[in-house]
Amino acid sequence: DTEVTQTPKHLVMGMTNKKSLKCEQHMGHRAMYWYKQKAKKPPELMFVYSYEKLSINESVPSRFSPECPNSSLLNLHLHALQPEDSALYLCASSRTSGSSYNEQFFGPGTRLTVL
Amino acid sequence: DQQVKQNSPSLSVQEGRISILNCDYTNSMFDYFLWYKKYPAEGPTFLISISSIKDKNEDGRFTVFLNKSAKHLSLHIVPSQPGDSAVYFCAARYHGQNFVFGPGTRLSVLP
Repeated sequence: DTEVTQTPKHLVMGMTNKKSLKCEQHMGHRAMYWYKQKAKKPPELMFVYSYEKLSINESVPSRFSPECPNSSLLNLHLHALQPEDSALYLCASSRTSGSSYNEQFFGPGTRLTVL
Repeated sequence: DQQVKQNSPSLSVQEGRISILNCDYTNSMFDYFLWYKKYPAEGPTFLISISSIKDKNEDGRFTVFLNKSAKHLSLHIVPSQPGDSAVYFCAARYHGQNFVFGPGTRLSVLP
């Protein structure tokens, strides 16, 4: 299985809602990533988990809360978002991070719209 | 400040010819470079990579060249096929986990 899956595919939420994005991989990868991609822009790194521990938070607002319950799952909890948070949210995984040269495998993304 | 630049937003190439996509970077701490292809409504797909200690890596129709002194890398696709039409992102890594993507180049391969 060389796939990263993300659910839901699309999500529309109001600014007072609480929702979660889910990501799953069964490749035995120990590094997992959340990216945000706005239209016609490159993906921007948000969070990195390495061996289920948060290792990078790229100054992301606290209304985004990541969680890595186990080595296969990565969640992104959303609360009190703003319309400008509307974007494609991409999850990725790699064998490890650090000095190894490992490519990232990306999921198809969740298209989020905040009303 | 863009650390990874792809100065050509788009490129059109005839089928069977060579496609050359360019990428420039500013951060000398980058140690690993990757190229991804992205179709609409899909996540990026890894194509090929190169570590900073090498100057060339080849995989089938895809070759990546790295010129460290110029802080420049390029992706060559030979021969180009219509199925190669997509957005190509150059990405670079530093500190083991930080990945920075360029803005992308849209490649159109014309039959």
